[in-house]
Amino acid sequence: DIQMTQSPSSLSASVGDRVTITCRASQSISDSLNWYQHKPGKAPKLLIYVASNLQSGVPSRFSGSGSGTDFTLTVSSVQPEDFATYYCQQSYSAPLTFGGGTKVEIK
Amino acid sequence: EVQLLESGGDLVQPGGSLRLSCAASGFTFSGYAMTWVRQAPGKGLEWVSGIGGSGDITYYADSVKGRFTISRDNSKNTLFLQMNSLRGEDTAVYYCAKRGSRGTNTNPVGYFDRWGQGTPVTVSS
Repeated sequence: DIQMTQSPSSLSASVGDRVTITCRASQSISDSLNWYQHKPGKAPKLLIYVASNLQSGVPSRFSGSGSGTDFTLTVSSVQPEDFATYYCQQSYSAPLTFGGGTKVEIK
Repeated sequence: EVQLLESGGDLVQPGGSLRLSCAASGFTFSGYAMTWVRQAPGKGLEWVSGIGGSGDITYYADSVKGRFTISRDNSKNTLFLQMNSLRGEDTAVYYCAKRGSRGTNTNPVGYFDRWGQGTPVTVSS
């Protein structure tokens, strides 16, 4: 099974900060990496698919990059509504796997 | 508008069974793979199972293999998860999700662009 490791597990940021979250796969997964945002009591929301494709309706301050084993989610200017937990997920092979999550909190 | 509505979550004793349902609308259900993902209290998202558009392909996490069965009824636009031999570690909110359109829509190995609100399952005596 492919293991996904996210870092950091949590971070504090101020509104307007640039935030970067990394995700590393235990083997090469090409560009088969997706990012989700999850808020308590809500449905998870797809942000980025296939490494760098912005899901329709997602603000352009979110961006994704990477290939192979190392990937990055960047929020260029964090807004109040962005405080949530973020997960990466590999879609290279079954069983699908998620990273452990990164909780973004208000500083 | 795509809508996914889970139901069937409940309190059940260890060793018991439960069947979750996910009613889908707003898209051609048979044209998309579907998946179940869960979140245990205080934990992250965990993929549970996926099924192809016609139901011919299924995948399971090792943690549920042999105990859970995913299925779908395309005539009723409904996804199911039959959960048997339930354990305390199966306690979680269970989400159903629809596969995204990039690539082969009916392949359960993919990403998920629409999610339900979840249904809670508690396994406890």
